Amino acid sequence: QVKLVESGGSVVQPGGSLRLSCVASGFTFRTHGMNWVRQAPGKGLEWVAFISFDGTKKGYADSVKGRLTISRDTSKNTLYLQMNSLRPEETAVYYCAREQVSVYGETYMDVWGKGTTVTVSS
Amino acid sequence: SYELTQAPSVSVSPGQTARITCSGDALPKKYAYWYQQKSGQAPVLVIYEDSKRPAGIPERISGSSSGTMATLTISGAQVDDEADYYCYSTDSNAYHRVFGGGTKLTVL
Repeated sequence: QVKLVESGGSVVQPGGSLRLSCVASGFTFRTHGMNWVRQAPGKGLEWVAFISFDGTKKGYADSVKGRLTISRDTSKNTLYLQMNSLRPEETAVYYCAREQVSVYGETYMDVWGKGTTVTVSS
Repeated sequence: SYELTQAPSVSVSPGQTARITCSGDALPKKYAYWYQQKSGQAPVLVIYEDSKRPAGIPERISGSSSGTMATLTISGAQVDDEADYYCYSTDSNAYHRVFGGGTKLTVL
């Protein structure tokens, strides 16, 4: 079945770096855009980054631009999020989500992983 | 940047109809999408393109949109429907996405 499994979350000091991974299975990874979405403790969903199906187009939330980098490796069916200069307020569960394109050309997220937890603390 | 606005909470008794709204200036031109997130779980898509249900979503969950407001309706709400509900849309920047702030539905 269609599945996304995130990994790489851990405790990291402020200013530190971390790389998250998301392994996709059960669908043709190379034909879907992908997103990272995070959720701080007790807070709502916050979109973080998008990457197109072929990796040529990317988008970032203003709060992470220049510090977080989204990428993908189609040969490994894996999505990545490289996180640098991490801040305490970025403590959150990080979800990867598959993007679907509607018949009207709009995009939305139809499949989500269970998430991986990042804690930024000294 | 584009914003979607939701009320923080809605409360209904079991069996009543719950209505959760989402307002956004671009909604007259864009479809609304809704996600349900139960405590400790990942979000689940429950409505897409304003009113369509993915497979497995019960018929008592429905969606509509008019003007700048989209509405998620849960008819005959059950305790199992208690969750946070988020509306979603894409920004005018084709590579940006946005979620509403979320509405906590309490059924008691």
